[in-house]
Amino acid sequence: DSGVTQTPKHLITATGQRVTLRCSPRSGDLSVYWYQQSLDQGLQFLIHYYNGEERAKGNILERFSAQQFPDLHSELNLSSLELGDSALYFCASSVALTGDTEAFFGQGTRLTVV
Amino acid sequence: LAKTTQPISMDSYEGQEVNITCSHNNIATNDYITWYQQFPSQGPRFIIQGYKTKVTNEVASLFIPADRKSSTLSLPRVSLSDTAVYYCLAPIRRGSYIPTFGRGTSLIVHP
Repeated sequence: DSGVTQTPKHLITATGQRVTLRCSPRSGDLSVYWYQQSLDQGLQFLIHYYNGEERAKGNILERFSAQQFPDLHSELNLSSLELGDSALYFCASSVALTGDTEAFFGQGTRLTVV
Repeated sequence: LAKTTQPISMDSYEGQEVNITCSHNNIATNDYITWYQQFPSQGPRFIIQGYKTKVTNEVASLFIPADRKSSTLSLPRVSLSDTAVYYCLAPIRRGSYIPTFGRGTSLIVHP
């Protein structure tokens, strides 16, 4: 158990819909990262938050947005869903911004768009 | 931006030592080299991290030559449960450290 909790574990929804994925980081971790993993793209970095502030964006579509709340949990909002958005979505947390700290990953949310 | 290159796949047998080499030619002076392991449908898990020379923990060893342009993850006496994808990470900085994954090396351990 990494200490990072993601809900829900599975989500099935229709095209055009909007969903919200939730991530609770490890206690004390200020950094939250979101990733998308599909079979053909590997693990793609989406967005990074640190202590409530957005710090970096990766390959995140405009239809996707995220935020980190004062209690440090984070939500990833996916809207106008397309079939190609079907993937595993992971969040990870770490205690700091530096490269010498370990990132802890949750078990992921498997999103299926039908 | 540092880019990593590692073999797409490797095969081994139980009890053998496995070495996976990653090249990261333009890694920055201050950057660490980190390896993660991922099982199907699970999140990646940190294995080991190093800056130079050799680092060893209860799971693996990491060898980094003086020029730091490559690193080798060594898994001693692998078992079937070591079948997984192994990622070598070189950081990407956009104001902060971003763990950035390539395609990784798919290791299959055979009985």
